[in-house]
Amino acid sequence: GQQVMQIPQYQHVQEGEDFTTYCNSSTTLSNIQWYKQRPGGHPVFLIQLVKSGEVKKQKRLTFQFGEAKKNSSLHITATQTTDVGTYFCAGMYSGGGADGLTFGKGTHLIIQP
Amino acid sequence: DAGITQSPRHKVTETGTPVTLRCHQTENHRYMYWYRQDPGHGLRLIHYSYGVKDTDKGEVSDGYSVSRSKTEDFLLTLESATSSQTSVYFCAISDNGGWQTQYFGPGTRLLVL
Repeated sequence: GQQVMQIPQYQHVQEGEDFTTYCNSSTTLSNIQWYKQRPGGHPVFLIQLVKSGEVKKQKRLTFQFGEAKKNSSLHITATQTTDVGTYFCAGMYSGGGADGLTFGKGTHLIIQP
Repeated sequence: DAGITQSPRHKVTETGTPVTLRCHQTENHRYMYWYRQDPGHGLRLIHYSYGVKDTDKGEVSDGYSVSRSKTEDFLLTLESATSSQTSVYFCAISDNGGWQTQYFGPGTRLLVL
């Protein structure tokens, strides 16, 4: 089946440092979504990207969708302790829909104060 | 948070015992999903539903069955629980399959002894 690869699996940063997680698919995606899961919580939607080359920002978070619609990234500037959690990308493939999204395995962000 | 509840929230059971998990939504969303989350595997789709009595298998459906007799309820059944089914189970809902946000329930922690 389709797979979305996400790296790194874990990322340790000092508070105030930047953080980036990357997702890659071998085939073109129709859209990609990003979710955040706090420790002990459930995934919560952050954003959806649909257009080739799209860039969206939410305060310190910047999301990009590649020109070929096969990769995406989430960049957090100047991390804070509230950013701790696991970040998942989730892609939808052409022809898909009812079966929803294919999730990456997530990147665990660990912040050292 | 969207109106999604899961019950029970925690369950301990023995190998060979049948288990049913319930997902209930008040959003009238058409699509409902069951995922399991395990360390190192991210979120994996078990089964999904695209309407009342319309269900289909996901990536890891072996050993699981589902039913959806009403829009608001999606049941996941483990006919004969095994230790490999120890996991955290999340229900999610969506109004338009993979084209829109998935809203997740709080999860059910299942331990099979």
